[in-house]
Amino acid sequence: GGIITQTPKFLIGQEGQKLTLKCQQNFNHDTMYWYRQDSGKGLRLIYYSITENDLQKGDLSEGYDASREKKSSFSLTVTSAQKNEMAVFLCASSIRTGPYEQYFGPGTRLTVL
Amino acid sequence: AQKVTQTQTSISVMEKTTVTMDCVYETQDSSYFLFWYKQTASGEIVFLIRQDSYKKENATVGHYSLNFQKPKSSIGLIITATQIEDSAVYFCAMREGQGGRALIFGTGTTVSVSP
Repeated sequence: GGIITQTPKFLIGQEGQKLTLKCQQNFNHDTMYWYRQDSGKGLRLIYYSITENDLQKGDLSEGYDASREKKSSFSLTVTSAQKNEMAVFLCASSIRTGPYEQYFGPGTRLTVL
Repeated sequence: AQKVTQTQTSISVMEKTTVTMDCVYETQDSSYFLFWYKQTASGEIVFLIRQDSYKKENATVGHYSLNFQKPKSSIGLIITATQIEDSAVYFCAMREGQGGRALIFGTGTTVSVSP
């Protein structure tokens, strides 16, 4: 077994601010993902990283940067937070090959004032 | 283009009964994987069950089972003997067969189980 931790749990920022969310996993998984979930909606992919030193854009990558510092960690940066933006950002990880179901972290709830 | 559609927004059932929820998907790949996840009120997302496209048998795990109808591009989730703690949002998701791909999620179905 393993666990995914996300920090912070709650993030409050100002419009235009650059904000960073962090994710750590101890599954020893190769691949990590960032999803955004808006209230009452499904998850949409922002970025993913198949392995260290790899970054792949998802459908929602505009306005975000990502960094895979090492195998166990994956960071997401909101480059310029938008006023009234409120969403939960979910980190996930999986093995690289095969069916590889994803395992999710508890999420970071972002509020922009 | 890939797409996953869950048309049922919410379902209410009585405890100890069976609930069925629908999901249809679109893909051009001949090999793909279908997943169901549960999101609890606390926000935790838990993997429940998976169906591989090349398998004819419906997957079953505990009181969760799938109704895989490949010609209809449909993957329904069936929960038998429901319990109060089955109240949650259930998401259907798909991943195409090539390596390194992320999941495409549906919009979710909220299930409420009453005593």
